[in-house]
Amino acid sequence: AQTVTQSQPEMSVQEAETVTLSCTYDTSENNYYLFWYKQPPSRQMILVIRQEAYKQQNATENRFSVNFQKAAKSFSLKISDSQLGDTAMYFCAFMKPHQGGSEKLVFGKGTKLTVNP
Amino acid sequence: DAGVIQSPRHEVTEMGQEVTLRCKPISGHNSLFWYRQTMMRGLELLIYFNNNVPIDDSGMPEDRFSAKMPNASFSTLKIQPSEPRDSAVYFCASSPRQSKNIQYFGAGTRLSVL
Repeated sequence: AQTVTQSQPEMSVQEAETVTLSCTYDTSENNYYLFWYKQPPSRQMILVIRQEAYKQQNATENRFSVNFQKAAKSFSLKISDSQLGDTAMYFCAFMKPHQGGSEKLVFGKGTKLTVNP
Repeated sequence: DAGVIQSPRHEVTEMGQEVTLRCKPISGHNSLFWYRQTMMRGLELLIYFNNNVPIDDSGMPEDRFSAKMPNASFSTLKIQPSEPRDSAVYFCASSPRQSKNIQYFGAGTRLSVL
């Protein structure tokens, strides 16, 4: 079974600074997908960024980027120029590929990020 | 698009009562997921459907929980009888066939069983 570990229960960063959230996972699969979801106080789950394991290039979405190290099974999220609206719980998640549909997400326990003014 | 719609947003009930949570996936999506979020266990899958067919229900805690998807636009998660330990936020998510495996979540139902 796949497992996802987020070792930082809480983090804080000053507005406009850069912060990196850590995530490691365990799997015997060679091809899979990795995600970072954001959950603000409204509790809505919002996709931040997605990475396909067979792509060596790290995914980026505006101020958000990942450092994907497949051999180390590491998938960290970097937030640049942090904004107050980035305050939220961040969940790392793993998914196996599935033919003809989708597969379940396996989530880490989350990291609570606070951006301070 | 309206997104995934869950109802009710909040539910407070007494132990032993039946609870039904509802979900309307995004139109055209063929996969639907039910997740539960608690402080102790985090986010965990309960059950998911592909093309209205249950694929994996290994996360359903026990016989008190049941889920149905009678058509592509509606799903229910029922708890009967409810217990205080069922108190959690229940999320529904849907995913289209050609989506790069992205799941879109509803706003969740916060269930409190007294």
